[in-house]
This record gives sequence, structure tokens and C-alpha cells, in this order.
Amino acid sequence: AQSVTQLGSHVSVSEGALVLLRCNYSSSVPPYLFWYVQYPNQGLQLLLKYTSAATLVKGINGFEAEFKKSETSFHLTKPSAHMSDAAEYFCAVSDPPNTGNQFYFGTGTSLTVIP
Amino acid sequence: DTGVSQNPRHKITKRGQNVTFRCDPISEHNRLYWYRQTLGQGPEFLTYFQNEAQLEKSRLLSDRFSAERPKGSFSTLEIQRTEQGDSAMYLCASTRKSLNTEAFFGQGTRLTVV
Repeated sequence: AQSVTQLGSHVSVSEGALVLLRCNYSSSVPPYLFWYVQYPNQGLQLLLKYTSAATLVKGINGFEAEFKKSETSFHLTKPSAHMSDAAEYFCAVSDPPNTGNQFYFGTGTSLTVIP
Repeated sequence: DTGVSQNPRHKITKRGQNVTFRCDPISEHNRLYWYRQTLGQGPEFLTYFQNEAQLEKSRLLSDRFSAERPKGSFSTLEIQRTEQGDSAMYLCASTRKSLNTEAFFGQGTRLTVV
């Protein structure tokens, strides 16, 4: 079964500081991994995805994530936090599109950016 | 591509009433998912359709819940005899099998049962 674990339900960083949000996955097949962002009372917006190509994935708004198979991790980073980054972030895993039928989400990490 | 559309955005209902939500996926997407999200949690899978066929249902989907996608386009999610525990955000997502790897989400319908 597929699953993801997000370490740290709340993360606070100062504006301009490094953002690091952690995600570890469990998968019996090569995983497809995603990071989504959710603003209050909104749906989920895709930040980036890993689909077995380059292990370092760049997304929107300056975010990037690195797939590390040996660590079963897919941590999200951004070099310099902006106030507008304050939101809820979800890591998700799915089967390859031709075989799987679900996306499995973590419990989320709430990011606070301190001015 | 107008994105995934969900209606209504908000619904307040009295306990015991029935409610129905609608989801219009991206037009060329043949897979449609329903998720439920409670406060402080990630989305939890409820059910999904490929075209008009409902291929999987979660155990979270009790017999009070029913979903349809009659013509393989829009979908409805009905909750009968609502309970306070049904209060949540209901999210719809769509994707195109064999092409898209990511799910595209709607804005969600927030249900409050009073």
C-alpha cells in the first residue's frame, strides 16, 4: 500500500529564511510523488511532481524537491521564504497513471512565515 | 481549460437533511475523484470514476453516501440523512488516464451540518 508521512504538522520560518518541509513515502512500486499547496478555503494546487525522471524537481513559486530513493524521501525546499508562502502543504503519492487509481495524501504541514 | 468546478462552494444544512454536490471536471479528463478533508487533515479518498463507471469506493463511503457520473462528464455526490460528523470539505479532482500524472482539484464544497 502507498502512504506518505509528513514530519512536523507546523513549521515556522522567518521571511527570507530557508523553507524545508519533510515528506517520507512508502511504496511497493516506483512512486509518483507530488507536493500540493492549499490556501484557506481553497482547493489544492500542484507545486511540483516527480515521475521517475530527474531526481531534483523544480516547481512553481521557487519551490523544489529532491527524490532520494535510499532515504524514501521527497522533501520540499525553498531558499528564501516569502510572506505569500504561508499555507498548508501536502505531500502525496500515487501509482503510475496506467496502473493506479488513487492519490494518497499526508496529513499536511502548516507553514507560517514570520515577518 | 476552465479547471475543475464545484458547486456549491458552501453548504449549511440541518442534521438529517439530504445534500447534493456537483463537480464538473476538466472536459477531456476521464477520471474523476472525490475526496473528503476534515480540519487539520489531508484529503481522504472516497471514490473514483473512470468515465461513467465507479471503479472503487472507500470504506469511508457509508451507505448514506452515493456518487454518480451518469454520462461520464459531471459527477454528483449525495449525502442522505446528514450527521454532524459529515461536516468537512468535499474535494473533487480529475485527471486523464495515461496522460496526466497529477490530479487537478476543484475549490471544494464546504459542508457544515448543524
